[in-house]
Amino acid sequence: GENVEQHPSTLSVQEGDSAVIKCTYSDSASNYFPWYKQELGKRPQLIIDIRSNVGEKKDQRIAVTLNKTAKHFSLHITETQPEDSAVYFCAASTGYGGSQGNLIFGKGTKLSVKP
Amino acid sequence: DAEITQSPRHKITETGRQVTLACHQTWNHNNMFWYRQDLGHGLRLIHYSYGVQDTNKGEVSDGYSVSRSNTEDLPLTLESAASSQTSVYFCASSDAGARFFGPGTRLTVL
Repeated sequence: GENVEQHPSTLSVQEGDSAVIKCTYSDSASNYFPWYKQELGKRPQLIIDIRSNVGEKKDQRIAVTLNKTAKHFSLHITETQPEDSAVYFCAASTGYGGSQGNLIFGKGTKLSVKP
Repeated sequence: DAEITQSPRHKITETGRQVTLACHQTWNHNNMFWYRQDLGHGLRLIHYSYGVQDTNKGEVSDGYSVSRSNTEDLPLTLESAASSQTSVYFCASSDAGARFFGPGTRLTVL
């Protein structure tokens, strides 16, 4: 089955710097890769997702890149702000573009942005 | 506004008791999921449903059951609660791809 590895487990950056979180997956059939942000005591919230037919996607300060050959995808946050501090989870799914099937999550990265 | 809700938000129970966690969504999504979240394990799938009367086991389904009698609800039942089931439980639903999570239920089994 699918296995998703996420690195680093913790990341501390200065406000205004960039942050990069990387994930690798094992199942070459995976076709949907979302990223979730979870603030302390809150629910995971989708911040960006990418499908296997796209190499890169941007949404303001957030971007995700996908390398299908190497089976890895990354989250890039530019101009970090204190409110970006949270735990970020990557995930991979093989089922119907993500709407079905088992969405396998990485173990999370705790991002701290220091003012 | 459409939403997904869970109840109760906090629950303390004793070993061996039956517990049911409720999940209700008003998006009219066919697909619904139950996850548990534990430190060091991330989010793991317990059960899921692709429509009314459809239920499927996820990767950590032992000791749990679900039923789907309508589109809006997917209750999760712990048949005989165990201390290992102390966790935060999230319900989710999806339609076109993105999964939306409920606010979670923190369950403690003593």
